[in-house]
Amino acid sequence: GAVVSQHPSRVICKSGTSVKIECRSLDFQATTMFWYRQFPKQSLMLMATSNEGSKATYEQGVEKDKFLINHASLTLSTLTVTSAHPEDSSFYICSAKRGGHPEAFFGQGTRLTVV
Amino acid sequence: TQLLEQSPQFLSIQEGENLTVYCNSSSVFSSLQWYRQEPGEGPVLLVTVVTGGEVKKLKRLTFQFGDARKDSSLHITAAQPGDTGLYLCAGVWGQGAQKLVFGQGTRLTINP
Repeated sequence: GAVVSQHPSRVICKSGTSVKIECRSLDFQATTMFWYRQFPKQSLMLMATSNEGSKATYEQGVEKDKFLINHASLTLSTLTVTSAHPEDSSFYICSAKRGGHPEAFFGQGTRLTVV
Repeated sequence: TQLLEQSPQFLSIQEGENLTVYCNSSSVFSSLQWYRQEPGEGPVLLVTVVTGGEVKKLKRLTFQFGDARKDSSLHITAAQPGDTGLYLCAGVWGQGAQKLVFGQGTRLTINP
């Protein structure tokens, strides 16, 4: 159990376009989902925390208008990178957490390349 | 400022040796998790520790949560090449809207 599926695993897009990444909890209801960004050979940097049905809480320095997060249901959260630029190229990872449980389970990650 | 300080950040040892990775903070965490991450993949949960002083074992891996719930350690006995990877500690932090924040990670290499 506790499977989180992230899609797509890889995406290449042109500068100026938008990209949507989906994160689904397949066998549990995720009251909280987290979105991270990971640079090569570094740890995970928390971008935002989203709770189902409410607005996401963004970390300092993360532009909420650029990284749009929607957590419309207990099994789906999406991250949309708007007007992507090459510097947005990175590995984006989501995780999902059940209410009352401390563990978070991670998706496979999405490698975004903006050309 | 890093909420969770993980050390060492890089460690390369020979097969059969023992090692310990530390995760420290000045903040109290309601729980700490240890993950292992392979290149190009998401982190995989190894263990969760919740109670101060708690010790959990997973084969050759021993995890401990500090009494004050501010620190944790991961000890590997008789390391094997298959243990090579990025080990990450993460803590659930905050009141109300809780966050899961990570340490810097320890890149472990076990040489045959």
